[in-house]
Amino acid sequence: DTAVSQTPKYLVTQMGNDKSIKCEQNLGHDTMYWYKQDSKKFLKIMFSYNNKELIINETVPNRFSPKSPDKAHLNLHINSLELGDSAVYFCASSQAQGGFTDTQYFGPGTRLTVL
Amino acid sequence: GQNIDQPTEMTATEGAIVQINCTYQTSGFNGLFWYQQHAGEAPTFLSYNVLDGLEEKGRFSSFLSRSKGYSYLLLKELQMKDSASYLCAVRAFKAAGNKLTFGGGTRVLVKP
Repeated sequence: DTAVSQTPKYLVTQMGNDKSIKCEQNLGHDTMYWYKQDSKKFLKIMFSYNNKELIINETVPNRFSPKSPDKAHLNLHINSLELGDSAVYFCASSQAQGGFTDTQYFGPGTRLTVL
Repeated sequence: GQNIDQPTEMTATEGAIVQINCTYQTSGFNGLFWYQQHAGEAPTFLSYNVLDGLEEKGRFSSFLSRSKGYSYLLLKELQMKDSASYLCAVRAFKAAGNKLTFGGGTRVLVKP
């Protein structure tokens, strides 16, 4: 049983293209996140949604647009891809905000390569 | 902002003990997490501390001192499968909700 799943696992595309990454969690969690892990392995928060509502929006170019159709899904759409967007993108979810229940569980990651 | 420092790399022998230190500076501290990440895989949750002291979980223990802005992860009876990166992450309360900030990770190499 997959807890947090992402598709695709690998994505290779040309500069300037638009692409989407999908994330789904079957844990019944209320909060979902998108992280970017660059080549230096720093894991940085991009967005967080709680019950379909955007609650964290870090300094991310507006080419990145998250969408949460329901609390089990959080997709990431990226317009006009640039070389610097190459990274591994992780989706995560947590039961709620605060306390131990805020422990985040990560999906397997999507390795995006922009050529 | 938040500063989280941990060593880049550590090497240890199978069966030994390794201690990974993490120091942090933050406002609105609201918990510290340790995650393990094997190469090419997702981070997986190891431990959580919000109060001072030691939390023990089998071969892994984590310690927190909030006044010193310091935590460590102790790995005992090292096994080859423990070779991975260990990420220290600090949660801080912000107006919009809790936010988790990760350190750069410590790569642990376990040798036979």
